[in-house]
Amino acid sequence: GAGVSQSPRYKVAKRGQDVALRCDPISGHVSLFWYQQALGQGPEFLTYFQNEAQLDKSGLPSDRFFAERPEGSVSTLKIQRTQQEDSAVYLCASSLDGKGSTGELFFGEGSRLTVL
Amino acid sequence: SQQGEEDPQALSIQEGENATMNCSYKTSINNLQWYRQNSGRGLVHLILIRSNEREKHSGRLRVTLDTSKKSSSLLITASRAADTASYFCATGPGGYQKVTFGTGTKLQVIP
Repeated sequence: GAGVSQSPRYKVAKRGQDVALRCDPISGHVSLFWYQQALGQGPEFLTYFQNEAQLDKSGLPSDRFFAERPEGSVSTLKIQRTQQEDSAVYLCASSLDGKGSTGELFFGEGSRLTVL
Repeated sequence: SQQGEEDPQALSIQEGENATMNCSYKTSINNLQWYRQNSGRGLVHLILIRSNEREKHSGRLRVTLDTSKKSSSLLITASRAADTASYFCATGPGGYQKVTFGTGTKLQVIP
């Protein structure tokens, strides 16, 4: 596609529900990032994929958070047993570069999760 | 955790004035990028400066980098109301591509 696509744009979940957020990166982009952005804050790194390999998941806040990119393209961020503190915008970004120096990140519009 | 901190946290200027935002970071970097975010939207890349560069220009944007002080500045000249947004610096330490963002400067340009 023309850009990074995220769905759903808005999700309201009851505390304890599981949610799945989808990211469709720009075709051919090797790197994929997930970030969490609280209101008025900068994006916080969650996890990074190079193709299908999850190379860094150090930012995932708990074992309730799980991300996958099985075929090296679409990625899903899953949050199990959601808590109110999980309420945030979840941003996905992709980049063409695979190794070496960092290149420009292309961001989706984000998925806003509200946990009641 | 945030790698960088922007200063000021908020900035309000009149249209036509210049806006300067500063970013300080903690660890060694391979490059530093600046991004812009309009309210409720994703981030948009503005400019990238590599660790061996000291200054870079792109249109009305001027970025400086001082690796000895672990700091960068973003200057927007002749600001416009459409420049109203939050601005973030982002650093990449090299190796693989983990990019971490600062806390952001919220810029308001008054017409």
